[in-house]
Amino acid sequence: DIVMTQSPDSLAVSLGERATINCKSGQSVLYSSNNKNYLAWYQQKPGQPPKLLIYWASTRESGVPDRFSGSGSGTDFTLTINSLQAEDVAVYYCQQYYSTPYSFGQGTKLEIK
Amino acid sequence: EVQLVESGGGLIQPGGSLRLSCAASGFTVSTNYMSWVRQAPGKGLEWVSVIYSGGNTYYADSVMGRFTISRDNSKNTVYLQMNSLRAEDTAVYYCAREGQQLGDHYFDCWGQGTLVTVSS
Repeated sequence: DIVMTQSPDSLAVSLGERATINCKSGQSVLYSSNNKNYLAWYQQKPGQPPKLLIYWASTRESGVPDRFSGSGSGTDFTLTINSLQAEDVAVYYCQQYYSTPYSFGQGTKLEIK
Repeated sequence: EVQLVESGGGLIQPGGSLRLSCAASGFTVSTNYMSWVRQAPGKGLEWVSVIYSGGNTYYADSVMGRFTISRDNSKNTVYLQMNSLRAEDTAVYYCAREGQQLGDHYFDCWGQGTLVTVSS
């Protein structure tokens, strides 16, 4: 099974500043045959289901603001939120879909400083 | 509009059974990969089970042998039959659709969830 580990567990950033969340997988989620990283990012606000932000490690879902971006390959990935807005307060999860059982990181709680 | 609506949650005693339903609209469940993902109170997300368009099913080790995923194409609905429930199964259960292309095993559509509480 692939273990996903996020850092930090929580993060406080000032409005307008940049937030960076890291995700590390226990084994590579890069599929060599298509050169794709099977890694997604989700945002979950209180009382709501998760919302897909990024897939294939760096492809933004339709309708997601361009201040959200994903990067990385293999085992190390980053979600970057530029120019933090108040509505970005949420818990963020990474997920590997390289193999079942699919697995999520433990979550990173993002707050406003 | 693509939508998933879960139902069937509630309070159940340890050892009991419950069947969750996930009614889909705006797309056809039989041509998609459909999963259940759960979230214990105040905790993170845990994938539970998936049913592929071809009918293959897979489960997390924590529910293997106790939970069964299925679907009714005529009702465009996915189910999760949960038997021998334990306190640690207490969670909000989400139904989720995987992406539309081959290999797109991320979840692009989620329901609002249904709460299952296992307690005596």
